[in-house]
Amino acid sequence: EVQLLESGGGLVQPGGSLRLSCVASGFTFMNYAMGWVRQAPGKGLEWVSVISGPGGSTNDADFAKGRFTISRDNIKDILYLEMNNLRAEDTAVYYCAKDHTNSWYYIAFDMWGHGTMVTVSS
Amino acid sequence: DIQMTQSPSILSASVGDRVTITCRASQSISTWLAWYQQKPGKAPKFLIHKASSLESGVPSRFSGSGSGTEFTLTISSLQSDDFATYYCQQYDRYPLTFGGGTKVEI
Repeated sequence: EVQLLESGGGLVQPGGSLRLSCVASGFTFMNYAMGWVRQAPGKGLEWVSVISGPGGSTNDADFAKGRFTISRDNIKDILYLEMNNLRAEDTAVYYCAKDHTNSWYYIAFDMWGHGTMVTVSS
Repeated sequence: DIQMTQSPSILSASVGDRVTITCRASQSISTWLAWYQQKPGKAPKFLIHKASSLESGVPSRFSGSGSGTEFTLTISSLQSDDFATYYCQQYDRYPLTFGGGTKVEI
């Protein structure tokens, strides 16, 4: 059974940093692109970042560029999101998600974690 | 960026109704469109990819159609478990973008 388990969320002050983790199991992690999608309270889904299976390619939403860094450890089967210079508008549930095919192109997400809440507030 | 516009934003329906949700892309995305279902407090669930390909395990009352800029998600006979919010997502190009969601309620 595919499982994605996020952790690392919490309350952080504006300008602060957090690192989210997502432990994957039940599939060959290195074969699949992975991504992060967030959802602000009461709002819709917003794509954050994706990384290719081997980890050599990434793509970020404009708001994430220069502040967020996606990475992965294909030995430990863990996906990360390093978030710096956090703002109030980054407050959201952050979901880890798996691409539906073992290709870097045309990414949609067939499995999602339960999410981890990030609150940016003073 | 490709804008995804869903309509309606809220849909009131009853069990047994045929329900159609529309998703429009601001430019052609061929058939690179996915649909998700989300219930309150839960992660999204993958329903359909490539505009019309039903994900394994998804009930056959769900169907998708369309290409280019106009897409629809149809539930042929609404069940109580289907009351949720539905999102479309284009994956033709970056940035990946989602529609604003359609809440299906009683």
